[in-house]
Amino acid sequence: EIVLTQSPATLSLSPGDRATLSCRASQIINTYLAWYQQKPGQAPRLLIYDESNRATGIPDRFSGSGSGTDFTLTISSLEPEDFAVYYCQQRHNWPWTFGQGTKVEIK
Amino acid sequence: EVQLLESGGGLVQPGGSLRLSCGASGFTFRNHAMSWVRQAPGKGLEWVSTISGSGDQTFYGDSVKGRFTISRDNSKNTVFLQMNSLKAGDTAVYFCAKDALRLGVMDVWGRGSTVTVSS
Repeated sequence: EIVLTQSPATLSLSPGDRATLSCRASQIINTYLAWYQQKPGQAPRLLIYDESNRATGIPDRFSGSGSGTDFTLTISSLEPEDFAVYYCQQRHNWPWTFGQGTKVEIK
Repeated sequence: EVQLLESGGGLVQPGGSLRLSCGASGFTFRNHAMSWVRQAPGKGLEWVSTISGSGDQTFYGDSVKGRFTISRDNSKNTVFLQMNSLKAGDTAVYFCAKDALRLGVMDVWGRGSTVTVSS
């Protein structure tokens, strides 16, 4: 099973700040990595798939990068609605696995 | 508009069974794999199972293999998750998700159905 490790666990930032979230895989997963956003009491929402492709309707302040085992989700300038938990997920090998999440909270 | 609506959750005793359903609309159901992902209270996301568009291929996480069965009825645009031999550790919100044409990219999610396993 591929283990995804996200860091940091919590990111305390202010609106307008740049957010950088990391996801490290226990083995090479090429670019088969997605990012999801989840707000309290809601379902997850797909943000980025295959490392850098934005899903439909996702604003361009969200971007993904990386390859191999190290990946980054960047939010260029945080909006109030961006404070949430973010998960990475790999689809390189079964079973699909998620990281443990990074919470982006208001400082 | 693409929509997924889960149903069938509830309270069940350890060792019991439950069947979740997920009704889909707004897309060509048979063309897409469908997945179930769960989230225990206060915890992260855990992939549970995926079924191909035709239903001939199924995949399971290790924690549910042999106890859960995923199936689908393409004539009714519905995917199911039959859960047997339930344990306290299965307590979670169960989300149904539509896979994009790229298998494993879950681009639309339902609101979830809560399953509580307790005596």
